[in-house]
Amino acid sequence: DVKVTQSSRYLVKRTGEKVFLECVQDMDHENMFWYRQDPGLGLRLIYFSYDVKMKEKGDIPEGYSVSREKKERFSLILESASTNQTSMYLCASSPPDRGEAFFGQGTRLTVV
Amino acid sequence: LAKTTQPISMDSYEGQEVNITCSHNNIATNDYITWYQQFPSQGPRFIIQGYKTKVTNEVASLFIPADRKSSTLSLPRVSLSDTAVYYCLVGDLGNTNAGKSTFGDGTTLTVKP
Repeated sequence: DVKVTQSSRYLVKRTGEKVFLECVQDMDHENMFWYRQDPGLGLRLIYFSYDVKMKEKGDIPEGYSVSREKKERFSLILESASTNQTSMYLCASSPPDRGEAFFGQGTRLTVV
Repeated sequence: LAKTTQPISMDSYEGQEVNITCSHNNIATNDYITWYQQFPSQGPRFIIQGYKTKVTNEVASLFIPADRKSSTLSLPRVSLSDTAVYYCLVGDLGNTNAGKSTFGDGTTLTVKP
């Protein structure tokens, strides 16, 4: 079974904190993604990576950065958390042959 | 980018066939169409993918007309456990242009007894 594992299901952080969301996949997939999901807005792409150390901005990269030092791990970083970053964050990975993407369980982040 | 439009919600009854249509007028030549299912507090899960004509697997069928400007996910004989949000994705998450892939806003399907 393919697994995409996100380090936390729930997180509560304070405004201004630096926040790290970790994602690990065990299928040697090249592509990895970070999405944000808010009610009524569907899934919005924050960043994606198609190789180690390679990254591309998605639709809403402002306030976020990413790191991919190893193929299996893709980290999302909130440099200075703000209340408008309270959301569900979903990590996904995909093989290179247009196959299905696999999603993690999501991290519900609350910034207070 | 292909803008992807789906109905916000649909209701059905157990045992009925459900068809959810996604509009994607600006679909590119290399784009695939993929549908995902999402239950509360879980990540989306792959249902089916196609490029043109019809694709069928053990859980659903996907109909894509020749102009590819729309697609229809068909769920045969739904049950209560099919109550979920269904997302249409246009693009290709497997290549280096994956960032141009576009999810629809999702269709909330409610199956009633």
